[in-house]
Amino acid sequence: KQEVTQIPAALSVPEGENLVLNCSFTDSAIYNLQWFRQDPGKGLTSLLLIQSSQREQTSGRLNASLDKSSGRSTLYIAASQPGDSATYLCAPKAAGNKLTFGGGTRVLVKP
Amino acid sequence: SAVISQKPSRDICQRGTSLTIQCQVDSQVTMMFWYRQQPGQSLTLIATANQGSEATYESGFVIDKFPISRPNLTFSTLTVSNMSPEDSSIYLCSVVAGGDTQYFGPGTRLTVL
Repeated sequence: KQEVTQIPAALSVPEGENLVLNCSFTDSAIYNLQWFRQDPGKGLTSLLLIQSSQREQTSGRLNASLDKSSGRSTLYIAASQPGDSATYLCAPKAAGNKLTFGGGTRVLVKP
Repeated sequence: SAVISQKPSRDICQRGTSLTIQCQVDSQVTMMFWYRQQPGQSLTLIATANQGSEATYESGFVIDKFPISRPNLTFSTLTVSNMSPEDSSIYLCSVVAGGDTQYFGPGTRLTVL
């Protein structure tokens, strides 16, 4: 059974600092891994999807890396802004389009 | 991409009653998924709904408690039956579209008194 751990559980940084969010998973037999953002009381917004054959994926200030064999993914957010404050979730996908979610990292960017 | 809407956005219900949540997608999709997010927790998959066949439920979830309909390729409903306070959660609909990306609806926030 896939287990996903996200460290740290919470993170508070001043505006402008870079953010590093870690995700580890126990079963490396994944098809891809997706990072999401969730604002309080809202649904999930897809940020990045990395295929199992890829090492990293970039979109604007966001960069996600994937080391499938060691069961790790990292999300980097450059030059953080107060609008980046949210909970970030990682979810590796296994057979049957089944996502397993980590507990999330709650980020607060202080102006 | 896919745009997903859900109704209702939130509801407060009495224990013992049932609530049906609707999910509408702006494009045809093969698989639709229902997730639950309990307070302070992450998301858990309830079931996968394919058009024209019975939904497939994950361990710990049963059809009598969470019946699902999937009448066409853009719509699905999830019913939370005989509710108790433990059913208070956010229920989210999700689809895969535009390749492998998974998209989520805005969620239905359910409070059971």
